[in-house]
Amino acid sequence: GQQVQQSPASLVLQEGENAELQCNFSTSLNSMQWFYQRPGGSLVSLFYNPSGTKHSGRLTSTTVIKERRSSLHISSSQTTDSGTYLCALESLGSKLSFGKGAKLTVSP
Amino acid sequence: EAAVTQSPRNKVAVTGGKVTLSCNQTNNHNNMYWYRQDTGHGLRLIHYSYGAGSTEKGDIPDGYKASRPSQENFSLILELATPSQTSVYFCASGDANWGRTQYFGPGTRLLVL
Repeated sequence: GQQVQQSPASLVLQEGENAELQCNFSTSLNSMQWFYQRPGGSLVSLFYNPSGTKHSGRLTSTTVIKERRSSLHISSSQTTDSGTYLCALESLGSKLSFGKGAKLTVSP
Repeated sequence: EAAVTQSPRNKVAVTGGKVTLSCNQTNNHNNMYWYRQDTGHGLRLIHYSYGAGSTEKGDIPDGYKASRPSQENFSLILELATPSQTSVYFCASGDANWGRTQYFGPGTRLLVL
């Protein structure tokens, strides 16, 4: 079955609100990565996070191995944050198993 | 930042025809990957490679072949294209060291009629 469960599948926010995206994984973790995908576009790496908390501007990634979960927090959302956010579990051989993605829409 | 390019960007093929998708990376990464992205499935790994001359099967290899003739180039080959292979295909490259991120190309939209 699916190794990575991502939630929610979609999220609609007003500009300025915060977003919390979750991924749960069922297999051994070597690292969790988060990507951003513009509508119709390619993927851009946001975080490589094997464990703990990492920050990048308004984005925060937290991976808790014992609880088999990773989260992406977006603070003070902006319309330019709209797009799809994907988590990916890295396994042996640097292979990635992706979640199905979370579509974020931020309205002005 | 790694540069990964794909060609063609859009392709219309006929059922039973042969399709070759090409990928080129200029950052000297050892690893390269081919994924397809479909609504409801996310990205799924088709084939990958650890270096020139090597190809490995990913999670959904049936109906696809891959070729890695050089460090820079990685091709995905559909010998007998089927409508079920209509999708968006992404190529990615990555560092061979454990735990490094992957850099993705812009994607190829393939429609098989």
